[in-house]
Amino acid sequence: GENVEQHPSTLSVQEGDSAVIKCTYSDSASNYFPWYKQELGKGPQLIIDIRSNMDKRQGQRVTVLLNKTVKHLSLQIAATQPGDSAVYFCAENKAGGFKTIFGAGTRLFVKA
Amino acid sequence: EAQVTQNPRYLITVTGKKLTVTCSQNMNHEYMSWYRQDPGLGLRQIYYSMNVEVTDKGDVPEGYKVSRKEKRNFPLILESPSPNQTSLYFCASSRTSDSYEQYFGPGTRLTVT
Repeated sequence: GENVEQHPSTLSVQEGDSAVIKCTYSDSASNYFPWYKQELGKGPQLIIDIRSNMDKRQGQRVTVLLNKTVKHLSLQIAATQPGDSAVYFCAENKAGGFKTIFGAGTRLFVKA
Repeated sequence: EAQVTQNPRYLITVTGKKLTVTCSQNMNHEYMSWYRQDPGLGLRQIYYSMNVEVTDKGDVPEGYKVSRKEKRNFPLILESPSPNQTSLYFCASSRTSDSYEQYFGPGTRLTVT
């Protein structure tokens, strides 16, 4: 079926360390993979995305990797800060449309 | 300010009493979508709309209706709410021309007793 598996469900790191979240998607035709951050009481907000014609994309302290062969995604947050504490979601967009499948989310705690 | 607004933000209702959650965006986005968020399940897409008068089912459309009569508005209708529709609901919008980035509203917490 259509699903995105995301792990871990909870991640606790020390401030300054890196955090890595991994996802596996199901549809080899998916062409767009966003990562969203959701802070408490708010709607999700895009932090980085990657299209299927790329295998790596970097932003400020965030890097996303895409391995289409095995349908794996990963998000690395470098030099974590307490403000990075939130729930993070990966997602896949089905090719040709806007049907979006989200992972179950990873709750990240950054300890000061 | 560019934003997606939802109303109400909180709603407690009883089984079977029809309700509508409104969603409006001021960014002239073609695409709009509704999601529900439940613990351990992430966000699941209910319905989406590519443009005015064009809507399609997401993964969990049962028990919900939508309409897109105007570009800026995309209301979610629960004709006969049931307790299993107790959830946190998010509306989102996106341009379709060059980006799939979705802008989310602040959420509506619905409780059906």
